Amino acid sequence: GAVVSQHPSRVICKSGTSVKIECRSLDFQATTMFWYRQFPKKSLMLMATSNEGSKATYEQGVEKDKFLINHASLTLSTLTVTSAHPEDSSFYICSVPTDSYEQYFGPGTRLTVT
Amino acid sequence: AQKVTQAQTEISVVEKEDVTLDCVYETRDTTYYLFWYKQPPSGELVFLIRRNSFDEQNEISGRYSWNFQKSTSSFNFTITASQVVDSAVYFCALSEARNQGGKLIFGQGTELSVKP
Repeated sequence: GAVVSQHPSRVICKSGTSVKIECRSLDFQATTMFWYRQFPKKSLMLMATSNEGSKATYEQGVEKDKFLINHASLTLSTLTVTSAHPEDSSFYICSVPTDSYEQYFGPGTRLTVT
Repeated sequence: AQKVTQAQTEISVVEKEDVTLDCVYETRDTTYYLFWYKQPPSGELVFLIRRNSFDEQNEISGRYSWNFQKSTSSFNFTITASQVVDSAVYFCALSEARNQGGKLIFGQGTELSVKP
């Protein structure tokens, strides 16, 4: 069964609204989770590292005020895209790393901003 | 700097052909991990293999095989007797041991199309 879940799997929102994406670790506790973004026909780009109980670490060029990350428990991290615009339309994927440097990926969330 | 390069953007083969997907990486670390993932049209990433920097043994798993050569910083992936179900985007990725929690740096991906 799935180790990491994401909700919703697809979302369409209007420009200017905010969207929250949840990433849940189902089988084990995760002090760290990663958020990736993938444009069509492109690679996965790491956006940020979500840290349980503390602030997220953002990669260079990622707007922390636009992509709010909250990791309030050992099984849940959320990514909120604030004041979404069409250029935020993308495939967002979270992952949970293991001690052996493998990562379990969520199924992804396809965001479309109209 | 860490970097992963997959020079082949798209590859098209006919079923039963063998195909090799190239991956070249850059890292200053002596301890690192290399991965291959498959991304079918559904979007979900499927883990294929992990290899650490101290293990240069080639690996075979069914129709899949991997050739890791530190001398050329390459970690190539070969599919033997390809099938239509192999059609997907394949990503090579690197994780340096010193990085927090093992975050992954992905290559650009190679889109493989296997035609019947």
